[in-house]
Amino acid sequence: GAVVSQHPSRVICKSGTSVKIECRSLDFQATTMFWYRQFPKKSLMLMATSNEGSKATYEQGVEKDKFLINHASLTLSTLTVTSAHPEDSSFYICSARGIKDSLSYGYTFGSGTRLTVV
Amino acid sequence: GESVGLHLPTLSVQEGDNSIINCAYSNSASDYFIWYKQESGKGPQFIIDIRSNMDKRQGQRVTVLLNKTVKHLSLQIAATQPGDSAVYFCAENIQGGKLIFGQGTELSVKP
Repeated sequence: GAVVSQHPSRVICKSGTSVKIECRSLDFQATTMFWYRQFPKKSLMLMATSNEGSKATYEQGVEKDKFLINHASLTLSTLTVTSAHPEDSSFYICSARGIKDSLSYGYTFGSGTRLTVV
Repeated sequence: GESVGLHLPTLSVQEGDNSIINCAYSNSASDYFIWYKQESGKGPQFIIDIRSNMDKRQGQRVTVLLNKTVKHLSLQIAATQPGDSAVYFCAENIQGGKLIFGQGTELSVKP
């Protein structure tokens, strides 16, 4: 089956620094990747959609300069949280759709990254 | 409008009983729906899906029902086990291929 690897699983950073989260499709070509944010005891909130080779499309209220998304290849997308602040602490999850799954609208999720900003 | 995350409702069941988890979706144009299970600190895990041209689909111990008239989905889990304890989310595929999550339900199974 389709596998998505997300790294790191946990990261702690100081306020003002930037953090990069990687999302890799291991056995398929991810033409579209999605980034979600989840607060404790809450649902997943879609942040942005990225298509390989194109600029990401951000959901309303999500700062594109704050959350930089790069999807330069069919197997890798990155989310960079720039100038992180404690309110950016959250669980970030990526999801990928690919050529392998396109006919069945498949969405494969990574295992998530717990970001803590101190 | 799109579904918005809210505080999670909870469902507590006895081991061996059947569980029914409900979900209201928001977009009448949604054509594909998925149920996910999420354990603490992990990403969502696919359970079962259904297209909008169907009203019922069965898997192993799980059944999904779709009522498009009232924009309602349900997930039925037969013979619920302690390992089924988790948060369950419905998600709808809306225009443009985005997957939007419902509010979720926390299922607690008592042994």
